Order: sequence, then C-alpha cells, then structure tokens
Amino acid sequence: EAGVAQSPRYKIIEKRQSVAFWCNPISGHATLYWYQQILGQGPKLLIQFQNNGVVDDSQLPKDRFSAERLKGVDSTLKIQPAKLEDSAVYLCASSLTGTSSGEGSNEQFFGPGTRLTVL
Amino acid sequence: GIQVEQSPPDLILQEGANSTLRCNFSDSVNNLQWFHQNPWGQLINLFYIPSGTKQNGRLSATTVATERYSLLYISSSQTTDSGVYFCAVSNAGGTSYGKLTFGQGTILTVHP
Repeated sequence: EAGVAQSPRYKIIEKRQSVAFWCNPISGHATLYWYQQILGQGPKLLIQFQNNGVVDDSQLPKDRFSAERLKGVDSTLKIQPAKLEDSAVYLCASSLTGTSSGEGSNEQFFGPGTRLTVL
Repeated sequence: GIQVEQSPPDLILQEGANSTLRCNFSDSVNNLQWFHQNPWGQLINLFYIPSGTKQNGRLSATTVATERYSLLYISSSQTTDSGVYFCAVSNAGGTSYGKLTFGQGTILTVHP
C-alpha cells in the first residue's frame, strides 16, 4: 500500500516570495492534516480536512497561509508572502477518519515532508 | 489544550542496552501514537496505543490511560535506533477533531 506522498522534498526561497506544497494521502483516507515542524520542536497542526471540508484551521496564519482539498483527495498548502520564520518542515498526514470510530481508524500516517528554507 | 511531556529529553546508550521513554499527558485521549523520526525527518509509526500494551520485536509500549501516561521500551538497542522519539495524543474531550498534539521528543543516541 502506497504511503502519503509529498512534493517537493526541499525548497529554498527568498522572503516575500510565494511557495506551494502538494500532498497525496493514502488511498481511502478521508482525513488529511498539514503540520509545521520547526527545528528542535514537535510538529504542530496547521489545518485539518475531513473529505474536502475544513474542520480545524485555528492555528493557520490566514494572512499568509492557505490550503485547499478541492476533490477530497490531494491537497495543496500555499504561503504568500513567506517570512523568515516560516522556515520549517511541512508534514502532511492522513487517517481513515478523524475520530476513534473503529480500532485504529484515527491512526495518522505521515509523508516524508517538505523542508522549506526562507532566506 | 492538552499538554504532553516527554522524558528524558536526551538519552545516550551503548549498543545492547535497554531504555524506557515516558510520555505524560494532561487529559483523556482517544489516540496515542509513538513515532521515531529518522535523520531524514520521516516520522515512522511505532505504535498506535491509546490504552493497553503492544509489542513489536525489540520495542514495546504500554499506556495507562486512567493515570495519563505511556511508556516506550527499547530492548537490546542498536545504532539504527538513534533519532528522535515523539509521543503524540489526541484529546478525547477536546474540540479539535482528531488533531495530534506532540511532545517535545526524546533524542536517543546509541553508540557502537
């Protein structure tokens, strides 16, 4: 079974530029998550989708970050304009559901991440 | 929101030694996962364990949900076990639907 796919793996941009990341979740997984991991810290949730609807974007800096999951499968995360403090690894994860409605149904699986450096 | 504390923050072992990593959390959970983050940044699923005990080879984990802690045991450690170990939980009573809250991690270094 294929895992969560992400691209690109690495991106270097200058501040005030824009950047976009792509994620393809595990087939059949309804719930998709974007996390930000700053060096030396644990990942923190940016946004969570259930199918193509947003269920939690409380930690997303909406003045510069946006995300969409138009057909309930792939998702893109965009930053415009980027700041130096956005340098981090952006991780995408997916799960069958967002709740524990069945054994392991809310277990999350992570992609390899995109390492963003903002100069 | 729910708080997650991991200990110890750093651990240095000789190959072959055993170790125990601890995760304390502040509220009831409906998901608890242990991950190993390898040097390339990939988060590898070790255990999905909101309660009970599981074993997988040299690794085992126990979660005592009523006392709000989980333990990860590594036996006969190998150099390939080096990396950062994260505990992450989802709050059963929270308003965040499925969101994982991560601890700060334990950095494990195994010397040959």
